[in-house]
Amino acid sequence: EPEVTQTPSHQVTQMGQEVILRCVPISNHLYFYWYRQILGQKVEFLVSFYNNEISEKSEIFDDQFSVERPDGSNFTLKIRSTKLEDSAMYFCASTSDRISYEQYFGPGTRLTVT
Amino acid sequence: AQTVTQSQPEMSVQEAETVTLSCTYDTSENNYYLFWYKQPPSRQMILVIRQEAYKQQNATENRFSVNFQKAAKSFSLKISDSQLGDTAMYFCASKTPHSYNNNDMRFGAGTRLTVKP
Repeated sequence: EPEVTQTPSHQVTQMGQEVILRCVPISNHLYFYWYRQILGQKVEFLVSFYNNEISEKSEIFDDQFSVERPDGSNFTLKIRSTKLEDSAMYFCASTSDRISYEQYFGPGTRLTVT
Repeated sequence: AQTVTQSQPEMSVQEAETVTLSCTYDTSENNYYLFWYKQPPSRQMILVIRQEAYKQQNATENRFSVNFQKAAKSFSLKISDSQLGDTAMYFCASKTPHSYNNNDMRFGAGTRLTVKP
């Protein structure tokens, strides 16, 4: 069964450094998402992406964040200058169309900012 | 805007017994989807069950079933014959399919379920 994959599973970085989190969505999916979950808190929407542009973003997704689909398979989340409060689990998700009710989640990347 | 509320931060149940997790939501949409996700200690989000708002029949997946009360905007999850592997965080979530500007998932705060042997 096709699945969303994410790399790395755990990333440790120093405050102020740039990080890139990588996701490979399911191959025939067209809509892509990033979510964040700070330890012990709810999963929060960050951004959705379609047709090589952001379709929606939350207030969390400020200028420090960017997303990109550099080729036909990868979907990346970049944090330019990490802060301690960026430490969280980051989930990528994809779906085949906007109407589809199911988003398929990846296993997540645990980001630790020290 | 959609909001999802889970009022039970933690629950426990004895193995083989039944437990119900509560969820309420608020939306101005007439059509939407509701979900329960399970997040075990591995932290991967696993879809447990989903319900389309236009369907009156409650969704069922093996030991998992929902009680969907559209008028009350309530969407509870019932786990029958609880197993130790059901121990996890459970998140209720909603999604509206037809709004271009609101196609993301909205999650509740989660309920931590512990199944005791």
